[in-house]
Amino acid sequence: DADVTQTPRNRITKTGKRIMLECSQTKGHDRMYWYRQDPGLGLRLIYYSFDVKDINKGEISDGYSVSRQAQAKFSLSLESAIPNQTALYFCATSDPTTQPYNEQFFGPGTRLTVL
Amino acid sequence: GQNIDQPTEMTATEGAIVQINCTYQTSGFNGLFWYQQHAGEAPTFLSYNVLDGLEEKGRFSSFLSRSKGYSYLLLKELQMKDSASYLCAALAGNTGKLIFGQGTTLQVKP
Repeated sequence: DADVTQTPRNRITKTGKRIMLECSQTKGHDRMYWYRQDPGLGLRLIYYSFDVKDINKGEISDGYSVSRQAQAKFSLSLESAIPNQTALYFCATSDPTTQPYNEQFFGPGTRLTVL
Repeated sequence: GQNIDQPTEMTATEGAIVQINCTYQTSGFNGLFWYQQHAGEAPTFLSYNVLDGLEEKGRFSSFLSRSKGYSYLLLKELQMKDSASYLCAALAGNTGKLIFGQGTTLQVKP
């Protein structure tokens, strides 16, 4: 079944470490997104990509970087993790050409803890 | 600016009806999504409104008034499994970007 997958599902790391979260999709969507979710703050957009050569910052991109290796793969990196980056991270995809236009499909999430 | 407001928590009784409100101020507004999210899980799509009016889908309905910047999600015949967070999200223009509210945590009690 066409899907959005994320690895790892859970990660505990230490302050200062470099961390990469990976997202893969078999939906054939061009658009991909990275969000973080914190209690009481909802989903906040970190980065988004409309194709392999088009990457854009979201509202909270500081401390993060991304790489779009292929249409199906979009990775999020924390260059030097800090405790306030502890959160639940979601990857999502969308297709602007099919209804409901721009519905986003979410991966299962990665729970990241920075000690 | 971009702003989405919805209540933080609601409680309702099994079998009852509950309405979750959402107000938004979004530049280039182009539609309103509702997602359901169980604790620790991914959000899943419930409904989408782009025109004024009511969209009905089984026990769930969603309403939009573009002139008032207002939407609601109506859940009928509540079941225990409806206990979850409900996320209101506004589509900003043609960017494909969704602006999410903080979510409303609904607790259904027996």
